[in-house]
Amino acid sequence: GAVVSQHPSRVICKSGTSVKIECRSLDFQATTMFWYRQFPKQSLMLMATSNEGSKATYEQGVEKDKFLINHASLTLSTLTVTSAHPEDSSFYICSAGLTGQAAFGSGTRLTVV
Amino acid sequence: GQNIDQPTEMTATEGAIVQINCTYQTSGFNGLFWYQQHAGEAPTFLSYNVLDGLEEKGRFSSFLSRSKGYSYLLLKELQMKDSASYLCAVRDHGGGATNKLIFGTGTLLAVQP
Repeated sequence: GAVVSQHPSRVICKSGTSVKIECRSLDFQATTMFWYRQFPKQSLMLMATSNEGSKATYEQGVEKDKFLINHASLTLSTLTVTSAHPEDSSFYICSAGLTGQAAFGSGTRLTVV
Repeated sequence: GQNIDQPTEMTATEGAIVQINCTYQTSGFNGLFWYQQHAGEAPTFLSYNVLDGLEEKGRFSSFLSRSKGYSYLLLKELQMKDSASYLCAVRDHGGGATNKLIFGTGTLLAVQP
């Protein structure tokens, strides 16, 4: 089945710095990947759709200048949280492959201190 | 827009049967998924319905009624390890070319001895 790798699994950063999260499809090519954010005891909220070779599509209320998405190849999408603040602390998770079941990365726990 | 609702929490007894309901309103329905998620982990696929009716897979079954915008996940012979969050997710094409997976609010199931 489809496998998606996400790194890092945990990151702690200082307020004001930027953090990059990588999402790789290991055994298939993904022209589209999705980025979600999940706050404690809440469900997954879709942030944006990452499109290979073109601009990402952001959901309403998500700041595109704060959450930079790059999908430069068919196997890699990156999410960069710029100028991170404590309120950006969350669980970020990517997924790819929707012809059947979506494959999810293992998630990244971001803590901004 | 999209609206996907589930009960927030449920409690059931080991060995029993529990039904988790999901109601949805979307503009471009293209399938419904159920996922299980343990805290701090990625969601794992349980079932997929695109046509009306019941899909059975071992101890788990899922039902869909597209006309009613309704689905349920049925868990039989509950085990303690089934304690987790259960996420209903709708694949929505939104009238465009890209399918998005939109998650419901999630149901936290506690299985008691």
